[in-house]
Amino acid sequence: GAGVSQSPSNKVTEKGKDVELRCDPISGHTALYWYRQRLGQGLEFLIYFQGNSAPDKSGLPSDRFSAERTGESVSTLTIQRTQQEDSAVYLCASSWGTGRTGVYEQYFGPGTRLTVT
Amino acid sequence: KNQVEQSPQSLIILEGKNCTLQCNYTVSPFSNLRWYKQDTGRGPVSLTIMTFSENTKSNGRYTATLDADTKQSSLHITASQLSDSASYICVVVGGTSYGKLTFGQGTILTVHP
Repeated sequence: GAGVSQSPSNKVTEKGKDVELRCDPISGHTALYWYRQRLGQGLEFLIYFQGNSAPDKSGLPSDRFSAERTGESVSTLTIQRTQQEDSAVYLCASSWGTGRTGVYEQYFGPGTRLTVT
Repeated sequence: KNQVEQSPQSLIILEGKNCTLQCNYTVSPFSNLRWYKQDTGRGPVSLTIMTFSENTKSNGRYTATLDADTKQSSLHITASQLSDSASYICVVVGGTSYGKLTFGQGTILTVHP
């Protein structure tokens, strides 16, 4: 079956431009997560969706970052007025659910490598 | 603050040798601990998931241990192969009602022939 897919795989943009990153989760997965991975660093949580709602967006670094999810499926992460420090790999993951124990497996996409010049 | 720390940062071993990676965490409340393997240019892939009551779990040549009292975990790789070269990430789930993941920085393992 299809896994989590992300597009584009690579994006080079000029400082100040807006970018949109797309995530297609595994069909039926109700939970969706966005993470950022800067070069040589660990993954940072950005935002979590349960269905189309985002109960936790505490990881979004600034108001230039926003995300939405529609149809309990596709999600888009938008970065406005990009800065060089936004350069990173943006990873999306999905899972069947969450629950207090959090034991649902998260399946990761291949990521979008964003370079801001 | 919820944190996960891994050591060493990087490790080079010869093919066929064993190695052990370490993870210490301060995440509370604790739900479960996972080890992921991340190949270059790919998303992380889960190797093991361990809950509070489990202290050892194996997946092929990978064996993870968990000491919930000292908040430490290890990942032991036996008879290493060239394909084991990757970043190994310790992830602790907890701290929120929905099981938020807190990631370690990863250990970069390089296996040489």
